[in-house]
Amino acid sequence: DAKTTQPPSMDCAEGRAANLPCNHSTISGNEYVYWYRQIHSQGPQYIIHGLKNNETNEMASLIITEDRKSSTLILPHATLRDTAVYYCIVRPPSNNAGNMLTFGGGTRLMVKP
Amino acid sequence: SQTIHQWPATLVQPVGSPLSLECTVEGTSNPNLYWYRQAAGRGLQLLFYSVGIGQISSEVPQNLSASRPQDRQFILSSKKLLLSDSGFYLCAWSFRLEAFFGQGTRLTVV
Repeated sequence: DAKTTQPPSMDCAEGRAANLPCNHSTISGNEYVYWYRQIHSQGPQYIIHGLKNNETNEMASLIITEDRKSSTLILPHATLRDTAVYYCIVRPPSNNAGNMLTFGGGTRLMVKP
Repeated sequence: SQTIHQWPATLVQPVGSPLSLECTVEGTSNPNLYWYRQAAGRGLQLLFYSVGIGQISSEVPQNLSASRPQDRQFILSSKKLLLSDSGFYLCAWSFRLEAFFGQGTRLTVV
């Protein structure tokens, strides 16, 4: 899997947008960018994924640069419940045996009142 | 819809005792199944994955083993627990592009 680089921690004011960056400069052409988050003492939760185009769902937006070497997860209106560790992961699309999720250190987002 | 069940939620075991953690998935067939461990304050480490009944791959040498007796059942075991086996254990399943995690078992070896 391509490696990802994320800042270890970030703060965000409640109600403001949280922009979480991720570098994946060695991403391959068929690899997707995934974002998960882990709230304390819970299992990781899927947020969003994308290949080339920007994506949006009810939780967040994903902005992928044109060269695909970096991406940004945007939580448009952060709440206290968004405090969690956010993981950026790249993986190929197939269901091969080695296609497991490899988690790095992630970014610990602290949303403050 | 697909769901994943993992139990127990918490477990305290003495050193040298055996371990059995169970994970079952509902609503899907032939999923890839995974066991991860997260030590306190650390990231997730992949321990085992399985692509089918009886097929287990290990990512790291360790004191643990895994088995998949049925398509949607994945078991993590140890014959004799070590203090270093303490951590947060997570079961996950994936099919094509999606992956979903259980709520985890917090194991404390004393």
